[in-house]
Amino acid sequence: SAVISQKPSRDICQRGTSLTIQCQVDSQVTMMFWYRQQPGQSLTLIATANQGSEATYESGFVIDKFPISRPNLTFSTLTVSNMSPEDSSIYLCSVEQGAGGYTFGSGTRLTVV
Amino acid sequence: EDQVTQSPEALRLQEGESSSLNCSYTVSGLRGLFWYRQDPGKGPEFLFTLYSAGEEKEKERLKATLTKKESFLHITAPKPEDSATYLCAVQASRSSNTGKLIFGQGTTLQVKP
Repeated sequence: SAVISQKPSRDICQRGTSLTIQCQVDSQVTMMFWYRQQPGQSLTLIATANQGSEATYESGFVIDKFPISRPNLTFSTLTVSNMSPEDSSIYLCSVEQGAGGYTFGSGTRLTVV
Repeated sequence: EDQVTQSPEALRLQEGESSSLNCSYTVSGLRGLFWYRQDPGKGPEFLFTLYSAGEEKEKERLKATLTKKESFLHITAPKPEDSATYLCAVQASRSSNTGKLIFGQGTTLQVKP
């Protein structure tokens, strides 16, 4: 299955600033998925990133707040913009693996103060 | 609305004490049901995918089963290293985004020696 490198692993940011999270996969994949895991909550899909096209956002998530780049088939970034304490979460990227499941990165634990 | 509910929220077992975790789901056509293990500070680790009622899969001390309304993760003679949060997720066949996983809130398992 694919191996995902995600960074940073954690960060503490001031409100009003932005943070860009990087996700690198060791193989080429068509779709990359970005999830959010808020404290005590389940994982929720933010958006799906396809190479060469605009990302598709789920209900409740907008491009201005969570812009995504997908410059090639092995890399994607998610930016959390104009952060507030409510954005404090774990952010994870994911790709489909060959065995019928999905592989996740180790996550980025974001704290906004 | 597609939904996943896991129970119990938390489970404490003695080493060797077998038990089961429940995942109830409602989905507009089941494409797949997934079980993951998540350790603190890490991303979810893929365990199983189940596709149709009656299907079963096993891995070491874990066995996953599926009916039309729920899935069970049976843990036989657990060891302390099985302590983790277990996540259940479904994928809807009628979703506009076939890669989207809908997660439950998880069951946190603690196995005491």
